[in-house]
Amino acid sequence: AQSVTQLDSQVPVFEEAPVELRCNYSSSVSVYLFWYVQYPNQGLQLLLKYLSGSTLVKSINGFEAEFNKSQTSFHLRKPSVHISDTAEYFCAVMVDSPGMIGTTDSWGKLQFGAGTQVVVTP
Amino acid sequence: DAGVTQSPTHLIKTRGQQVTLRCSPKSGHDTVSWYQQALGQGPQFIFQYYEEEERQRGNFPDRFSGHQFPNYSSELNVNALLLGDSALYLCASSLALSTDTQYFGPGTRLTVL
Repeated sequence: AQSVTQLDSQVPVFEEAPVELRCNYSSSVSVYLFWYVQYPNQGLQLLLKYLSGSTLVKSINGFEAEFNKSQTSFHLRKPSVHISDTAEYFCAVMVDSPGMIGTTDSWGKLQFGAGTQVVVTP
Repeated sequence: DAGVTQSPTHLIKTRGQQVTLRCSPKSGHDTVSWYQQALGQGPQFIFQYYEEEERQRGNFPDRFSGHQFPNYSSELNVNALLLGDSALYLCASSLALSTDTQYFGPGTRLTVL
């Protein structure tokens, strides 16, 4: 089984300041990692994902996340936030293959953390 | 190109009733997953449908059932509603061979009184 821990339930930050959202995961098999964003009264939007290759992944709107296998972390960062970044951010994992023994029933299923509410103020 | 659509947007039911939520996947997608997001929590996986069959299921009771139609749209049915079923129900669509990329709909807000 997999689990995801988002260490901060709420992160207040001033506009143009940097922000880091922490995510740690637990899994006995290889996983894909994701960050989703949810604006008020909306569904989830994929922000970025790590499948393989370079451990640093970036989104088009300035966010980046780094996969750290030894620390089982996938922290999200942005060097300068905007008011419009106010939202809830969810870290998620998914087993990376349907073919591994014991993982077939987990493939294709996103396992989410509890979320981190980012509030950006002027 | 329409994204994932869900209906209705909001729904109010009373305990013991039954409810049906609907989802139309993104054009070209053949796999639909359903998630329940209780207030203040992350989404929880309910089940996933592919080729009109339930392919994966999370830890939800049999009161939660679903269906996928030949056009890939899907329904989520919940019987004998409980107060604890109040949540935002999210539908996500993807391609069977790349379920790592799931596109979410806006959700249906279900309130059980």
